[in-house]
Amino acid sequence: ELKVEQNPLFLSMQEGKNYTIYCNYSTTSDRLYWYRQDPGKSLESLFVLLSNGAVKQEGRLMASLDTKARLSTLHITAAVHDLSATYFCAVQETSGSRLTFGEGTQLTVNP
Amino acid sequence: GAGVSQSPSNKVTEKGKDVELRCDPISGHTALYWYRQRLGQGLEFLIYFQGNSAPDKSGLPSDRFSAERTGESVSTLTIQRTQQEDSAVYLCASSPFYGYTFGSGTRLTVV
Repeated sequence: ELKVEQNPLFLSMQEGKNYTIYCNYSTTSDRLYWYRQDPGKSLESLFVLLSNGAVKQEGRLMASLDTKARLSTLHITAAVHDLSATYFCAVQETSGSRLTFGEGTQLTVNP
Repeated sequence: GAGVSQSPSNKVTEKGKDVELRCDPISGHTALYWYRQRLGQGLEFLIYFQGNSAPDKSGLPSDRFSAERTGESVSTLTIQRTQQEDSAVYLCASSPFYGYTFGSGTRLTVV
């Protein structure tokens, strides 16, 4: 059974600082997703990573995938308050199979 | 419509009653997923439909839960004899091949 672990689960950081959220998974996979969820809202797709070494960037967020290490990272650069949300990674073992989600990382960016 | 539509957005029901939740996926999306999210938790897979293939029901927590989908259109998730532990947000997502779009969810409260 595929297991997906995120850490940290809770992250409080100051504006302007950098930090990385880690997502480890237990079996081979060729698809990894990052989502953002604001309180009381649904999930917003951030990144889709489809191959080893894939790196994608959007604004202050950058995601990468290392399929050999079974690890994805979500790096936050110069955090701002608007980034406060819960971030989920999700892994799909093969094309057409279910998404398995991590527990989520609740990020709070303080002024 | 442009997105995944779920109804109702909120449902309060008495313990022991049956409820039916509806999901309208994006037109042309062959895959449809149901997930459950309890307060402050991650997403728990319930069931997955892919085209005309037999659905993956392995995530349904008990035989009180069932879901149907007609072709590549609307899906309904039915919970019979609701219990308080069924209280959660039920999220639906659809996908054309990869990449998932989530609906806004149905918040179910069992009193």
